[in-house]
Amino acid sequence: QSVLTQPPSVSGAPGQRVTISCTGRSSNIGAGYDVHWYQQLPGAAPKLLIYDNSNRPSGVPDRFSGSKSGTSASLDITGLQAEDEADYYCQSYDSSLSGSVFGGGTKLTVL
Amino acid sequence: EVQLVESGGGLIQPGGSLRLSCGASGFTFSAYAMTWVRQGPGKGLEWVSYISTRSTTIFYTDSVKGRFTMSRDNAKKSLYLQMNSLRDEDTAVYYCARVSRYRESSLDYWGPGTLVTVSS
Repeated sequence: QSVLTQPPSVSGAPGQRVTISCTGRSSNIGAGYDVHWYQQLPGAAPKLLIYDNSNRPSGVPDRFSGSKSGTSASLDITGLQAEDEADYYCQSYDSSLSGSVFGGGTKLTVL
Repeated sequence: EVQLVESGGGLIQPGGSLRLSCGASGFTFSAYAMTWVRQGPGKGLEWVSYISTRSTTIFYTDSVKGRFTMSRDNAKKSLYLQMNSLRDEDTAVYYCARVSRYRESSLDYWGPGTLVTVSS
């Protein structure tokens, strides 16, 4: 049972848009802590995709965007491509646990 | 180029001990806090521990408190995780990751991971 809740899976056809949600609570996202997103390709280590809710590291395509509101955050992927097929994780900080927390992960399938 | 490389994983019996290492290069290691994150087989990511730049602040997830000890050697640009009293549920790939700025920040670089299998 992860502290942050994500849908187990989402899917979309090439070129379409998908949204992955991440729901927290008052001790983490709702407390104002930033949300970060990671992409994990099959067999690889996670890679930072979005930091501080909506910022992209250098090299991440602008097809990826993030937002945060209240106790939730979202990752949007537009213009889906086959290489986007991966697991996506949200992360934040939880003051009651004094540590980072992750969502359970969402598997994106490109149809 | 920032690089993190973990080592020390392997097969260990329940109750045993193992020490993981993470070597860093391509950045000023002493200027960054570090974390360990693990991923059980077919499971999601789980934060394990955090250590500040000068080791003055160390935090652990509840399930490893009292059994795992995180440390670092800035002169050797290395991070460590001493794991004692290992349990089946500690079986996972263990990643070391760099904390980008402060404790609540993102993890901007990750190593490829090292597999720890706890089994009799």
